[in-house]
Amino acid sequence: EDKVVQSPLSLVVHEGDTVTLNCSYEVTNFRSLLWYKQEKKAPTFLFMLTSSGIEKKSGRLSSILDKKELFSILNITATQTGDSAVYLCASGSARQLTFGSGTQLTVLP
Amino acid sequence: SAVISQKPSRDICQRGTSLTIQCQVDSQVTMMFWYRQQPGQSLTLIATANQGSEATYESGFVIDKFPISRPNLTFSTLTVSNMSPEDSSIYLCSVSGQGRFYEQYFGPGTRLTVT
Repeated sequence: EDKVVQSPLSLVVHEGDTVTLNCSYEVTNFRSLLWYKQEKKAPTFLFMLTSSGIEKKSGRLSSILDKKELFSILNITATQTGDSAVYLCASGSARQLTFGSGTQLTVLP
Repeated sequence: SAVISQKPSRDICQRGTSLTIQCQVDSQVTMMFWYRQQPGQSLTLIATANQGSEATYESGFVIDKFPISRPNLTFSTLTVSNMSPEDSSIYLCSVSGQGRFYEQYFGPGTRLTVT
């Protein structure tokens, strides 16, 4: 059975802190690993990673994949209150994604 | 990325009734999916909506409970039939291109409460 595990389940930090979110995966048909941000209902796409060791970066967010150890991390530097959300990790193929349970990030002013 | 809309955005329904959720995309897409997110849970794939043929359902989901239509490459509907309070969830449609490395983009979701 495909499995995606995220840690920690929740995290509370103060503005300006740096956070690291973890995602480990075991999927039978791996093509990519994706990160999403979910604030209310709809997950918003952040990154798709397909190759090990290549960092994807967008502003204060960055992510990297380790296909040998089957995990990925999402880093957020200089956190802001607007970063408060659930961050979801998903793995699989375009036809079949398995989602983790998410990390609830709360950034306090 | 495609622009996806869903209707209704939320609804409160009585048990035993049915609700049809619509998903509209502003461009033709190959793959359309329906997910459910129960309170406090992550996303679970219900089915892949196939254009011109029956949807492909995941384990634990059946066509009688969640009939799906996809009449063309830009539109799909999901019906939640004979609802019970356990069906209270957020229902999300998503779309993807064809190929190995296409990401999925999600619609705004429908929040369903069954009383």
